[in-house]
Amino acid sequence: NAGVTQTPKFRVLKTGQSMTLLCAQDMNHEYMYWYRQDPGMGLRLIHYSVGEGTTAKGEVPDGYNVSRLKKQNFLLGLESAAPSQTSVYFCASSYFATVQETQYFGPGTRLLVL
Amino acid sequence: AQKITQTQPGMFVQEKEAVTLDCTYDTSDPSYGLFWYKQPSSGEMIFLIYQGSYDQQNATEGRYSLNFQKARKSANLVISASQLGDSAMYFCAMREGNGGFKTIFGAGTRLFVKA
Repeated sequence: NAGVTQTPKFRVLKTGQSMTLLCAQDMNHEYMYWYRQDPGMGLRLIHYSVGEGTTAKGEVPDGYNVSRLKKQNFLLGLESAAPSQTSVYFCASSYFATVQETQYFGPGTRLLVL
Repeated sequence: AQKITQTQPGMFVQEKEAVTLDCTYDTSDPSYGLFWYKQPSSGEMIFLIYQGSYDQQNATEGRYSLNFQKARKSANLVISASQLGDSAMYFCAMREGNGGFKTIFGAGTRLFVKA
């Protein structure tokens, strides 16, 4: 049981390049989330999904796109990377979205945009 | 608006002593949940403890307890008998009942445990 996994672990991009971050969970969770973490700040929600085939915008969605073609996978895309997108990206999942539901986090992807 | 405030950017504690990490929150929703996560230097986010707004008793999980003062809107994390492995970043977070799927995180407190 791997839980939540993320690939890649680290990536360096040049401004304008594109890339896709992959999140996979093996817990049969309905809900999946993408966060970014910047120094001195807590995690901020980029996009989320309430089930296969659905996506929605979070707090800071600009410059990112997502897809959830399979229940276990949640992809985060950067079409044209900018230095402001240098951050650590976390994927999380949960079975429900109730107040008490704990989110399970992946190990994070460190992205540097030059 | 939702808000989580952690006023201590860094804290030091002697090994085997107890330490309290502060968290205050702001919400008008009567139904909400409060969470604490630990982030060690390896980077992963580890769930520690949960407190619901309707819970009558303070939550406890092993050496972790949550000092929940609803009227003051505070949810402080207490770590008893600190260990060197407790050195990490700690995040307080909140989810509202009618806030959809949004969990708001505080900026975090970095805890240093001294031998």
